[in-house]
Amino acid sequence: GAVVSQHPSRVICKSGTSVKIECRSLDFQATTMFWYRQFPKQSLMLMATSNEGSKATYEQGVEKDKFLINHASLTLSTLTVTSAHPEDSSFYICSATYKEVGGQYEQYFGPGTRLTVT
Amino acid sequence: AQSVTQLDSHVSVSEGTPVLLRCNYSSSYSPSLFWYVQHPNKGLQLLLKYTSAATLVKGINGFEAEFKKSETSFHLTKPSAHMSDAAEYFCVVSLSGTYKYIFGTGTRLKVLA
Repeated sequence: GAVVSQHPSRVICKSGTSVKIECRSLDFQATTMFWYRQFPKQSLMLMATSNEGSKATYEQGVEKDKFLINHASLTLSTLTVTSAHPEDSSFYICSATYKEVGGQYEQYFGPGTRLTVT
Repeated sequence: AQSVTQLDSHVSVSEGTPVLLRCNYSSSYSPSLFWYVQHPNKGLQLLLKYTSAATLVKGINGFEAEFKKSETSFHLTKPSAHMSDAAEYFCVVSLSGTYKYIFGTGTRLKVLA
C-alpha cells in the first residue's frame, strides 16, 4: 500500500515554455503533499508543502510564481515550472502523507521526474 | 531545532564485508527517524524507520539500525554487503508532530568486488 506515482518520468522542454508534473497517491487519500528538488549528487531540497484545497507553503528562496503548485484533490498535486530555463533542469520528487494509526507521520515518495530544459 | 548529520559522504566496502553508515541527529523531542536508499536516477525507497518502539529496527534487504538516545545516533548497518547495495543512502528525521522531513546530506556507498 501507500503508492505514489509521478508523471512524466522524464521530460525535455525548450527554454521559455512551461511544463507540468503530476503527483498522485494511488491507494490512499493524501492530506499533505510535498515537492522536492534534487541536484546531481546532492540531497533533496524541500520546495513546498501543499494541503488539499489550500495554497501551498513555499520554502525560503523558492519562487512561488515560477513553481506553481496545485493540490486540487486528496489524490493529486501538480507542479508547473513556468517559463523554464536551463537552470531549472533537475530531478523533481514528490511525496504524500496521511495520518496513520497511532499518529505516526511518514512520507511516501514518488519515483521522481527528470526535467531537462534545452 | 532538529537536524541530522551524516558523518561520511562516501563509504567503500568490499563485497561480503559489513556496512556501517553513520547518522547523528539533534531533536528536542522524541524523533521519528528513517533511512532511505536511492539508486541512480530512481526515487527513494524506505529501508527502515524508528518511531519510538523497539530501539533496534530491522529493515529490508538485511539492513538494520539502532536508536541510541544517549549518543543521539541512528547508524545503519548490514552484516554483509552485496554489489546491489551500491547506492546513495539518506538519514532523515521527522520534525516532531509534523510530516516535515529533514534530510541528511547523504552517504554514497560503493561496494568493491
